[in-house]
Order: sequence, then C-alpha cells, then structure tokens
Amino acid sequence: DAKTTQPPSMDCAEGRAANLPCNHSTISGNEYVYWYRQIHSQGPQYIIHGLKNNETNEMASLIITEDRKSSTLILPHATLRDTAVYYCIVRVRGGTSYGKLTFGQGTILTVHP
Amino acid sequence: NAGVTQTPKFRVLKTGQSMTLLCAQDMNHEYMYWYRQDPGMGLRLIHYSVGEGTTAKGEVPDGYNVSRLKKQNFLLGLESAAPSQTSVYFCASSFSTDNYGYTFGSGTRLTVV
Repeated sequence: DAKTTQPPSMDCAEGRAANLPCNHSTISGNEYVYWYRQIHSQGPQYIIHGLKNNETNEMASLIITEDRKSSTLILPHATLRDTAVYYCIVRVRGGTSYGKLTFGQGTILTVHP
Repeated sequence: NAGVTQTPKFRVLKTGQSMTLLCAQDMNHEYMYWYRQDPGMGLRLIHYSVGEGTTAKGEVPDGYNVSRLKKQNFLLGLESAAPSQTSVYFCASSFSTDNYGYTFGSGTRLTVV
C-alpha cells in the first residue's frame, strides 16, 4: 500500500470550509484514496473515497490532483462535531485483503467557535 | 437501525482471567472484523470473518480466539488475559471486501491489571 503523509493537526473556524491535505506520491494506478475519521472515543467512520475523479457526497468532497500524488478532503461548512482525527488511506480496492485498512497517525482537526 | 453494537463498553480484568467481547450487527453484513487500537499504533486487525461459520487470522491474532456461529454476531475471546492486551477493541462489519462502507462499533476499553 502506498504511504500517505498528513499534517499532524489543523484548525478551522466553525462554518468555514476545512481543507485537509494528504500526500501519496507513490500511489499506484489501481489504488484508491479513502478517507475515514475518528471522533474521540468512537470507532472510525467512513467519509468518502475516489480513484482519480473528484467525488462529492453528503459529508464531504474529495479532490484528487491530476497526477494522483495528492488529494484534499473538503468539509464545506465545518461544525464543532467535525472535530476528529482524519485518516487518509491509499490501497487497492477489494480482493482478499480483508479489513487490512492501515490507519496511520492522521490529522487532528479542531473546529473552534 | 443500531448498526454495530459492542458489549461491554468497559472492563477491567486481572491477569489470567478470561472474557468474551460481543459484537452484533443488524445490517446483514457478510464480513466482520475485530481490531485493537493502541496509542501510536493505529488500528490493527486481530481476526476477521467472511461469513457465518468462518474465521481467519489477521495481523495480531495471538492470545485471541473468535467465533461466528450466527451471521449477525462475532465474538472475541481472551482465554488468559495479559497486560499487553490492555487496549481499545473495535468491531467492524462490511457488505463487501471493498475498503469503504466499513461500519465500526463504539469500542470496548479493556484494562488488564
């Protein structure tokens, strides 16, 4: 699996967009980018994933650069409840690699009033 | 829709005692997983199951056993607890082997003294 690099922490004002970067310069052509988050004392929560096109769902948007070496998770209107650790994961999709999601250190996002 | 429910939420064991952690999901997911999360280590896969009656070892299976007698339940057993098994345990389930759509429980905080 490709290695990812994320800033250890970020701050964001409530109501503003939170842009969380992730570098994955060694990503392979068949590897997807997945984002999960973990709110304090809870289990991780899936947010979004993508291969090369930008993706949007009810939670967030994912912007992947054309060379796929980096991506940005965007929370359009951050709320206090979005304070969490955000994990960027890069790996192949499906197959028999069951459950082997590798959660690194992630980015601690703090949303303040 | 409860999702993934873990019981108990907290437990303190003495070294050498045994216990069983229960994970129940009501989403009719085929795949279920047990992880442990330790500070600075991310989540590590202990055991997983690809369907009722099947189980397999993950990254760190030693000292644990599992059973999946019913599709909705996945049990994690510690036969003889050790202080090294002090951790937060998360159960997860998914409908496919893809890396998105994992639903995690809220965790069990286990302390072995």
